[in-house]
Amino acid sequence: QSVLTQPPSVSAAPGQKVTISCSGSSSNIGNNYVSWYQQFPGTAPKLLIYDSDKRPSGIPDRFSGSKSGTSATLGITGLQTGDEADYYCGTWDNSLTAYVFGTGTKVTVL
Amino acid sequence: EVQLVESGGGLVQPGGSLRLSCAASGFAFSNYWMTWVRQAPGRGLEWVANIKKDGIEKYYVDSVKGRFTISRDNAKNSLFLQMNNLRAEDTAVYYCSTSLASGIDYWGQGSLVTVSS
Repeated sequence: QSVLTQPPSVSAAPGQKVTISCSGSSSNIGNNYVSWYQQFPGTAPKLLIYDSDKRPSGIPDRFSGSKSGTSATLGITGLQTGDEADYYCGTWDNSLTAYVFGTGTKVTVL
Repeated sequence: EVQLVESGGGLVQPGGSLRLSCAASGFAFSNYWMTWVRQAPGRGLEWVANIKKDGIEKYYVDSVKGRFTISRDNAKNSLFLQMNNLRAEDTAVYYCSTSLASGIDYWGQGSLVTVSS
């Protein structure tokens, strides 16, 4: 059972915006940077956001990240069919001395 | 170009052992922490273990403590995961990964481990 909670699924029409929440605690999100990962079926995850709000080179600015207190949020604007994937948050947990991933969210483009 | 290539996966009986390897290239391997992440069929990502660049400091998820050992050979740019007393719930794709900047920014293609009789 993960210590980071995400909604199982979110959906929206092409061109619209979705947000994915990641809820944690003071031992993880509250005191550490958050990363976000995108994963297509049968492939390795890909880093989308690091340090809570930064994008690696090559990631379009349609993807954004934010953090407030013990929660983090991933936003995807201008939704495209190619964005249909699973998304995971992740961060270090100081109490567990382990990296923890969120429960994962499936994005569906209607 | 950064490359991480896992090998050593396969079918093993419950209680058995398996050793995963990861060959790294395209970056200064000895300067970075390395990590194993796994994903059971149809399930989410689970961080397994990581190891500091000097190979001394290591961390494990509770479910594998005492059974799995992470190690590295900086001279051969290689990462390992020795898995003993394997259980059905260890069945997963195991990814070798690293953090060159921040976050887990490079991943291998994964190696499937199946624990079944």
